[in-house]
Amino acid sequence: QKEVEQNSGPLSVPEGAIASLNCTYSDRGSQSFFWYRQYSGKSPELIMFIYSNGDKEDGRFTAQLNKASQYVSLLIRDSQPSDSATYLCAGYNFNKFYFGSGTKLNVKP
Amino acid sequence: DGGITQSPKYLFRKEGQNVTLSCEQNLNHDAMYWYRQDPGQGLRLIYYSQIVNDFQKGDIAEGYSVSREKKESFPLTVTSAQKNPTAFYLCASSILQTGGTGEQYFGPGTRLTVT
Repeated sequence: QKEVEQNSGPLSVPEGAIASLNCTYSDRGSQSFFWYRQYSGKSPELIMFIYSNGDKEDGRFTAQLNKASQYVSLLIRDSQPSDSATYLCAGYNFNKFYFGSGTKLNVKP
Repeated sequence: DGGITQSPKYLFRKEGQNVTLSCEQNLNHDAMYWYRQDPGQGLRLIYYSQIVNDFQKGDIAEGYSVSREKKESFPLTVTSAQKNPTAFYLCASSILQTGGTGEQYFGPGTRLTVT
């Protein structure tokens, strides 16, 4: 069983819509969670991290963590074509980060 | 300019040759990591280090070796024992914090092709 699971997509949303990306994890000991954006051929770029249950907002991005359900999500408001990328979810526990395979997001103009 | 540098960006080698990938950071981060990414896949951990002169194997360490002689540097050697070395290699670093970790940041990556 994978530590962190994501739907590979692609997830297609129209420009200006809210994109919702989801991630589940199996290790209840995971302490913190991270969302990375990766453009094709480039390295991952950290966009959000969350440690506590609830929501955390940063500009157009909101990360949500529900430890009871072992569920992490990323909402992107007012999606732009430049948001089209693969989004990687990662959990951290015991000095290691565990990455999902990523969800590909397409934002259509 | 603070950050993580990896060199070279592209690397081509013949099968049977060892090759060393460079990773340097000037963020004063304690921990450094090496990952491998194959097309359409997530990241798989090769090795990580939390302190100078100490490192631990990740999930796919076979055929790889590392050293951590300086806090700023964590080179990765891909040996001839690695059966499928062609991949995108990513170096990362993070601060270690009590009870958890700081955020992890990535270098630009090295794309290795072995023929």
